[in-house]
Amino acid sequence: GDSVTQMEGPVTLSEEACLTINCTYTATGYPSLFWYVQYPGEGLQLLLKATKADDKGSNKGFEATYRKETTSFHLEKGSVQVSDSAVYFCALSVRGAQKLVFGQGTRLTINP
Amino acid sequence: DAGVIQSPRHEVTEMGQEVTLRCKPISGHDYLFWYRQTMMRGLELLIYFNNNVPIDDSGMPEDRFSAKMPNASFSTLKIQPSEPRDSAVYFCASSRFRTVSYEQYFGPGTRLTVT
Repeated sequence: GDSVTQMEGPVTLSEEACLTINCTYTATGYPSLFWYVQYPGEGLQLLLKATKADDKGSNKGFEATYRKETTSFHLEKGSVQVSDSAVYFCALSVRGAQKLVFGQGTRLTINP
Repeated sequence: DAGVIQSPRHEVTEMGQEVTLRCKPISGHDYLFWYRQTMMRGLELLIYFNNNVPIDDSGMPEDRFSAKMPNASFSTLKIQPSEPRDSAVYFCASSRFRTVSYEQYFGPGTRLTVT
């Protein structure tokens, strides 16, 4: 079945460090890919998305590129801030099925 | 526009009591999803509706859980009787039908504690 595997956390970095959170997927068909972010005490928010191979989603300094050949959608940011501390979820949707399949989430903590 | 609205935000109840969680989706959205989030099991999809009709309830843990959507602007998730292992954060999300890219919009969640 369809599944998403994320890099295990927690991840702890210092402010201004570079970030990569790995995400790989298995899907039948041609999925759309998403990153969601959950700040403490809040619901999930869509951070970025990509709907076809080689698309790059970007938002708030975060980027992720849809790599069909490696079935990956890694989340990157060049310089993280304390305010980026949150849990990040990779997810996919498969054409014809309106539900999302989520990874297990990666908790990120940024220290000043 | 208002986002997804959930109530209550926090609920504390005793084992055996009935609990009802409420959700108002974003206007114009035709899909509604109920999730449960725990440290042990992560984010789990419980049930989802399309145009008020339940489509997939395979994630509902047991018969103690039930969900309804009487109209396009309101849904409930009921637990009767509640048990301590039901303690979790319950999220409601909604989305609009798309042929590609089905992003969902989440509410703030209801934190349920069953003692």
